Amino acid sequence: AQKITQTQPGMFVQEKEAVTLDCTYDTSDQSYGLFWYKQPSSGEMIFLIYQGSYDEQNATEGRYSLNFQKARKSANLVISASQLGDSAMYFCAMRDPYSGGGADGLTFGKGTHLIIQP
Amino acid sequence: DTEVTQTPKHLVMGMTNKKSLKCEQHMGHRAMYWYKQKAKKPPELMFVYSYEKLSINESVPSRFSPECPNSSLLNLHLHALQPEDSALYLCASSQAGTGGADGYTFGSGTRLTVV
Repeated sequence: AQKITQTQPGMFVQEKEAVTLDCTYDTSDQSYGLFWYKQPSSGEMIFLIYQGSYDEQNATEGRYSLNFQKARKSANLVISASQLGDSAMYFCAMRDPYSGGGADGLTFGKGTHLIIQP
Repeated sequence: DTEVTQTPKHLVMGMTNKKSLKCEQHMGHRAMYWYKQKAKKPPELMFVYSYEKLSINESVPSRFSPECPNSSLLNLHLHALQPEDSALYLCASSQAGTGGADGYTFGSGTRLTVV
């Protein structure tokens, strides 16, 4: 079974600072996919970044980058130059091939509540 | 069109009511999902449809009944719910059954309150 662990329930960061959100995972599969989502208080889940287990480069998308350390089974999200609008819940997730039915659902970590302070 | 549209955005229902949540996507995705998210918790997968075929999640009570009329639509029929079923219900879709780099696209959810 897949497991995602996010050990930071909440974080306070000063605006313009970089922030790292931790995520470790556990899987016995060789092929897997890791995702980060942002969820503002309005509820929608916004896709940020994806890392495949066979990707040799760390994923980057604008101010978001993923520090992927496969041997340590960690996939930390780095947000550079944080902005007030980055305040939200952040979820690390893994594709779950055991969802059944020929499609993979997502297994989520418990999330980190990030608050950016001016 | 790169959106997943969920209606209604908010729903209040009594324990004896029957209601339905609707989800629509026009991205050509052939997998669709229902998630339940309690307050301050992560989303939990309820149901998976792949090519309009359902994968049963046996831990979901029968008072939740999913339906996939076609590849673009997904419904969740609700009957005789309990107050503990109050949550945000999220719909998502993905390419070809597995979300790769394109990820999973989520709707903005339906906030359900059972009274």
